[in-house]
Amino acid sequence: EIVLTQSPGTLSLSPGERATLSCRASQRMSSSYLAWYQQKPGQAPRLLIYAASTRAPGIPDRFSGSGSGTDFSLTISTLEPEDFSVYYCHQYGDAPRTFGQGTQVEIK
Amino acid sequence: QEQLQESGPGLVRPSQTLSLTCTVSGGSISSGDYFWSWIRQSPGKGLEWIGYIYYDGSAYYNPSLKSRVSISVDTSKNQFSLRLNSVTVADTAVYYCARVGKFCGGGDCYTPFDSWGQGTLVTVSS
Repeated sequence: EIVLTQSPGTLSLSPGERATLSCRASQRMSSSYLAWYQQKPGQAPRLLIYAASTRAPGIPDRFSGSGSGTDFSLTISTLEPEDFSVYYCHQYGDAPRTFGQGTQVEIK
Repeated sequence: QEQLQESGPGLVRPSQTLSLTCTVSGGSISSGDYFWSWIRQSPGKGLEWIGYIYYDGSAYYNPSLKSRVSISVDTSKNQFSLRLNSVTVADTAVYYCARVGKFCGGGDCYTPFDSWGQGTLVTVSS
């Protein structure tokens, strides 16, 4: 199974700053099969990005994804107050589907 | 877009069977457009994919749970269900049902989970 390792565990930033989150896969994978989710307390995850770089419908363009091979990243260009939450990467190309352990973006 | 809602007991005794149902509204499982999935989230193991099912009953499971899990579908009720037997405290988690999305373009289709229920906490305890 593909293990996804996210870093850092916690990112402390201020509103208006840029956030860059990392997701590393334990083996090479197609970028077609990498997604990012946002999860707020008490809520289900929300799909942000699929195919590594394609925003899901309704997702603001301050969210962008990139990467290939084993290294992927999610960038939030300018943090809004509602962006402070936990983010997960997810691979859906290899069975079983797996998730990273999450990166918490907190207010500094 | 469909809405999904989990239902079932919030407390299960160790060694018993956990049973949950997901009701889909705003769309029909029998359309065959999507797969339907169960995912759980616990502090210890994070997000874990359990399995998914198609409208015709074809199901696929995470090997780590395959010996204990069963997912079924009832198209007449627009529902799909999870059964996990021989539960232990390690099965305590928030259980989500979710739709496997399908985004197609350029000859390829991409299938992340695109719609989720609100989740239901199941505690395994005596």
